[in-house]
Amino acid sequence: AQSVTQLGSHVSVSEGALVLLRCNYSSSVPPYLFWYVQYPNQGLQLLLKYTSAATLVKGINGFEAEFKKSETSFHLTKPSAHMSDAAEYFCAVTNFNKFYFGSGTKLNVKP
Amino acid sequence: GAGVSQSPRYKVAKRGQDVALRCDPISGHVSLFWYQQALGQGPEFLTYFQNEAQLDKSGLPSDRFFAERPEGSVSTLKIQRTQQEDSAVYLCASSLVSGNTGELFFGEGSRLTVL
Repeated sequence: AQSVTQLGSHVSVSEGALVLLRCNYSSSVPPYLFWYVQYPNQGLQLLLKYTSAATLVKGINGFEAEFKKSETSFHLTKPSAHMSDAAEYFCAVTNFNKFYFGSGTKLNVKP
Repeated sequence: GAGVSQSPRYKVAKRGQDVALRCDPISGHVSLFWYQQALGQGPEFLTYFQNEAQLDKSGLPSDRFFAERPEGSVSTLKIQRTQQEDSAVYLCASSLVSGNTGELFFGEGSRLTVL
């Protein structure tokens, strides 16, 4: 079975500070992992994906995530937060066309 | 536009009414998914189409929920005899390819409120 756990439903950082959003997964097969971002009243937009190539994945808007099999983690990071990064972020794992999403982490960026 | 289009964006229904939610995927996309997103939650899988074939409907919460994609393009999610617990945002997503490496492109969702 596949599942995703996102630790922290709300994260608040200051503008310019490091962003770290945590995601742990459970998968019985080698996983494909994704991070999506959702702005208010909009659909989800792909940030980045891991599909068993490089373990460090770079995405849009300066975000990156590292796949760590030993820790079953796929945490999302960004060195310096921008006000425009305020949104909700979802981690997802897939298995045979079915995507399993975490419950989301809302990122607040303080000026 | 070139993205996934969903209609209506907002729907208010009285308990017991039937509703139909429409999804227009990106042209040429093989895969189409429906997800249900309750307030404060992540999207939950409902059903999956590959072209016109409904390959997985294991996430549909009850037999009141029905989805179709008769010509392998536009899809409709129908909810019969709506209940308050059906209140949620219903997201449609499409993907160019089948298989789980394909990027999902999401619509903006249809927000259903059942009174």
